[in-house]
Amino acid sequence: GQQVQQSPASLVLQEGENAELQCNFSSTATQLQWFYQSPGGSLVSLLSNPSGTKHTGRLTSTTVTKERRSSLHISSSQTTDSGTYLCAIDTNTGKLTFGDGTVLTVKP
Amino acid sequence: DMKVTQMPRYLIKRMGENVLLECGQDMSHETMYWYRQDPGLGLQLIYISYDVDSNSEGDIPKGYRVSRKKREHFSLILDSAKTNQTSVYFCASSLRGNYAEQFFGPGTRLTVL
Repeated sequence: GQQVQQSPASLVLQEGENAELQCNFSSTATQLQWFYQSPGGSLVSLLSNPSGTKHTGRLTSTTVTKERRSSLHISSSQTTDSGTYLCAIDTNTGKLTFGDGTVLTVKP
Repeated sequence: DMKVTQMPRYLIKRMGENVLLECGQDMSHETMYWYRQDPGLGLQLIYISYDVDSNSEGDIPKGYRVSRKKREHFSLILDSAKTNQTSVYFCASSLRGNYAEQFFGPGTRLTVL
């Protein structure tokens, strides 16, 4: 089965609304990263959060390691937030396994 | 300014030609990676390098080889490229260890005709 499952697969918001993205994984994660991939394709690491809660700007990630889940909250979404959000975990192998991503569209 | 660079950004080759993709990083990271990304398949690990001349196969190494002669450079080589190797290739680097955060380059879009 798939190790990393992200939901929803796609999400459409009006500018200013908040977004909540979910990541569930089937194995214990020693590392968990959230990435943003722009429509042009570049991949940017947003947060590294294997456990607990982390904030950066309008982003908040909460990872509950025992429950094997993480969430990414985007507050006051902007049109420039549109793109694909990827969750990836390392299960103590030194290798990241990626989910399929959530495609976020923010409309003006 | 910490970053991972990739050259070239775009490349078109004919089937059977050799391909060299280059990756550099300025963070003195021990570990470097090559991934490819395809629609519907996500990002898949091709090779991982733990340091100079210390390389290990990832999940899909067939058809590829790598070279790491300096810590800051990691090359991906396709000998006799195939059309199914058309993809976007990403390089990444991290400190040593299973808890380390990976930093990605901008990607190389390779088309094999």
